[in-house]
Amino acid sequence: AQSVTQPDIHITVSEGASLELRCNYSYGATPYLFWYVQSPGQGLQLLLKYFSGDTLVQGIKGFEAEFKRSQSSFNLRKPSVHWSDAAEYFCAVALFTGNQFYFGTGTSLTVIP
Amino acid sequence: DTAVSQTPKYLVTQMGNDKSIKCEQNLGHDTMYWYKQDSKKFLKIMFSYNNKELIINETVPNRFSPKSPDKAHLNLHINSLELGDSAVYFCASSQTGGPGELFFGEGSRLTVL
Repeated sequence: AQSVTQPDIHITVSEGASLELRCNYSYGATPYLFWYVQSPGQGLQLLLKYFSGDTLVQGIKGFEAEFKRSQSSFNLRKPSVHWSDAAEYFCAVALFTGNQFYFGTGTSLTVIP
Repeated sequence: DTAVSQTPKYLVTQMGNDKSIKCEQNLGHDTMYWYKQDSKKFLKIMFSYNNKELIINETVPNRFSPKSPDKAHLNLHINSLELGDSAVYFCASSQTGGPGELFFGEGSRLTVL
């Protein structure tokens, strides 16, 4: 069965520190991959997406993610975290049809001054 | 102009009541979804409609009935509300035929007393 795993339920980092959020997927083939962010009381906003090509993708707000086929991973990174990055982060995958999306359980990020 | 809009944003009601949440998208997408987000932030797909036709119907009580009058609208009606229905319900849309991302509404927080 298809699955998306975000192993870290909650992460706390200091402002200015680097960040890496993990995401692993289990599918028969390489799906389309996404990272979304949800600020408190808000809907989900797309940070970045991977479809094909360069395995390092750049997104909004200074985020990037790297697709590693051998590890079935799509980890999200940011070199220097800002207090406004505190939010819930969701990894998602979509099948080739483009109309079936599956979400991980989310990682809650706390940023301390 | 909001891309995916839901109403109402907040809904407080008594057990046993019937309520509806409305969703509209102005992106020209052909697929719309309802997701339920529980208190642990887990996002679960409930329904998906493509061009007004139901294509995904996860294991959801039949008290939940989606209706899509046209491809820009997807409403959710809930009968005989229960305490466990309390959650945030997100509407989303996407365009099939390609690796389109999901666009989310801001959510409708339902509280059943």
